[in-house]
Amino acid sequence: SAVISQKPSRDICQRGTSLTIQCQVDSQVTMMFWYRQQPGQSLTLIATANQGSEATYESGFVIDKFPISRPNLTFSTLTVSNMSPEDSSIYLCSVVLKQWTEAFFGQGTRLTVV
Amino acid sequence: GIQVEQSPPDLILQEGANSTLRCNFSDSVNNLQWFHQNPWGQLINLFYIPSGTKQNGRLSATTVATERYSLLYISSSQTTDSGVYFCAVGGGGADGLTFGKGTHLIIQP
Repeated sequence: SAVISQKPSRDICQRGTSLTIQCQVDSQVTMMFWYRQQPGQSLTLIATANQGSEATYESGFVIDKFPISRPNLTFSTLTVSNMSPEDSSIYLCSVVLKQWTEAFFGQGTRLTVV
Repeated sequence: GIQVEQSPPDLILQEGANSTLRCNFSDSVNNLQWFHQNPWGQLINLFYIPSGTKQNGRLSATTVATERYSLLYISSSQTTDSGVYFCAVGGGGADGLTFGKGTHLIIQP
C-alpha cells in the first residue's frame, strides 16, 4: 500500500484567489492522479500528473484553471486558480504503485470558496 | 467514455441484515475497484477485482467481466458500514478511474 499525505486538509478561501494543494507519497509511484468530488456527488478525474512533463487533462478541465506540477516520483501539487463558489469541492490525490494494480487515495482537501 | 452505473442509489437496512450492491459497466475493463467513503470523506479500498471473487471478513465481491458487472456483498451489517460505496473502473495502465455515482448505505441500530 501507500501512505498519501495531502495538505491542507481543509480551507476556506475568498473568490478570485488561488489555492495550492500538496500531495506527498511515502514511496516512488509511477502514476499520480487528481480528482474532484463536488458536494453530494461522485468523483471525477481532473488530470494525470506526469513526472517531468505537462499533466494530461480530462475533458472539461484546463491547465489555466487547474495547473499541476510533479517535480519527482513522490510529490505533486494541484492549484485551483481564480476560485469561484462553484469550485467548492473535495480534491483528492490518488496513486497507483504499479500498472494493473489498485489505486490509493489521500484523505482529500475540503475546499470552500466564499 | 466508459459508463458506470450503480444500484441501488440508496439503501436503508437494520443492523444484522445482508445486502448486495451492483455495478454495471459499459465496456471491457482491466481495473475494477470497490471503495467505501466514510462520513469523514476518506476513501477506503475494499477490493481490487477486475474479475473473479474475493472475500474479506463480512464483505465479498464478484466481478463477471464477460457480462460487465460486479457485485459487492455485505453480510451481518453493522452501523459502521454506513457510508457511500463506490465502484470505479479503468482501462488500466496510465488511465485514471471512472467512478459510479455510488450507493448511499445507512445501517440503523
